[in-house]
Amino acid sequence: AQRVTQPEKLLSVFKGAPVELKCNYSYSGSPELFWYVQYSRQRLQLLLRHISRESIKGFTADLNKGETSFHLKKPFAQEEDSAMYYCVLDGQNFVFGPGTRLSVLP
Amino acid sequence: EAGVAQSPRYKIIEKRQSVAFWCNPISGHATLYWYQQILGQGPKLLIQFQNNGVVDDSQLPKDRFSAERLKGVDSTLKIQPAKLEDSAVYLCASSLGGKNYEQYFGPGTRLTVT
Repeated sequence: AQRVTQPEKLLSVFKGAPVELKCNYSYSGSPELFWYVQYSRQRLQLLLRHISRESIKGFTADLNKGETSFHLKKPFAQEEDSAMYYCVLDGQNFVFGPGTRLSVLP
Repeated sequence: EAGVAQSPRYKIIEKRQSVAFWCNPISGHATLYWYQQILGQGPKLLIQFQNNGVVDDSQLPKDRFSAERLKGVDSTLKIQPAKLEDSAVYLCASSLGGKNYEQYFGPGTRLTVT
């Protein structure tokens, strides 16, 4: 069975503070993982994928197969980072986590 | 380039009625997805097409939901008859390929079943 968990429904941080959005998954095969983001009044869009090992808008995510985690991190949060973030597992099919709403306070 | 188009944007129906949603993917995208997003949850994949063939419909409630993608371009998702628990946003997405390709999402159709 495939499953994605995001333990925080809402995460509030102050501007300039570090942020970490947690994601854990369960999948018996070799996982492909993504983070998708939805800003207010915009469409769901890709933020980053683990296979690219890239940094987008200052965000990074490292796949830890031992801990089955794919946490999203940014050292200094900006107000424009406020959005809904979904961790996504591409295994047998696509599975979205429940999402974490990030609120960056001024 | 134009994005994924969906219509209608909003629909209100009574239970036991029928409803259909339409999706026009990005030109050249072979893969098309339909998702159901219930309030407070992440999107759930209902069906995935590769061109006009079904790749995965394991989570599609086939007793009431059906989908087709004629000619490998536009797609229609139908619910017949609708239940109260079908109230959700229905998202369409498309991508160039399957695994590891970026999915581009449409604006969604918000369905309310009363």
